[in-house]
Amino acid sequence: AQSVTQLGSHVSVSEGALVLLRCNYSSSVPPYLFWYVQYPNQGLQLLLKYTSAATLVKGINGFEAEFKKSETSFHLTKPSAHMSDAAEYFCAVTAISGGYNKLIFGAGTRLAVHP
Amino acid sequence: NAGVTQTPKFQVLKTGQSMTLQCAQDMNHEYMSWYRQDPGMGLRLIHYSVGAGITDQGEVPNGYNVSRSTTEDFPLRLLSAAPSQTSVYFCASRRGLAGGSSYNEQFFGPGTRLTVL
Repeated sequence: AQSVTQLGSHVSVSEGALVLLRCNYSSSVPPYLFWYVQYPNQGLQLLLKYTSAATLVKGINGFEAEFKKSETSFHLTKPSAHMSDAAEYFCAVTAISGGYNKLIFGAGTRLAVHP
Repeated sequence: NAGVTQTPKFQVLKTGQSMTLQCAQDMNHEYMSWYRQDPGMGLRLIHYSVGAGITDQGEVPNGYNVSRSTTEDFPLRLLSAAPSQTSVYFCASRRGLAGGSSYNEQFFGPGTRLTVL
């Protein structure tokens, strides 16, 4: 069965510092992997997705993630944090069940950015 | 396009009451889903639908009913609310798998925050 583990429920960085949010997955089949962002009191917005093309995936707002099969990881990075990046971030993997591809979400990582 | 819309935004219920959370999408998406979001647990799938008249259970379906009479609407019914159903509920939709795509982007509504006393 597919699963997702996000290491660190809370991450705090200084403005301008590197952002690194960790995600490890478990999947018995080649996965599709996603990062979503949730701003306060809003729904989830897709940041980026890996669908078996390039292993380095670029998303919106300067974020990118690298798929590493050997490490079963899909960590999210941004070179320089901005105050507006403060949000909750969810990693997700697809899981095929009965012909329907379900999304399995990690528990989320809340990112705080301080001046 | 309005995208995925949900009503109400907030709701307080007493234990044992019933209610329906509304969800609508105007993107002609085949697939629609309901999730609940609880602290430290991410989003968990309650029910989903792959088209009008077709629904199935997700991870946590107990206490919830759904139906899909039209492509646009996918209401979630709480039959007899319990405090354990206090959560934020998200509806989502996406295109189906036509054209050989194994997965299409899922679009989320703004959520309904439900409190059961």
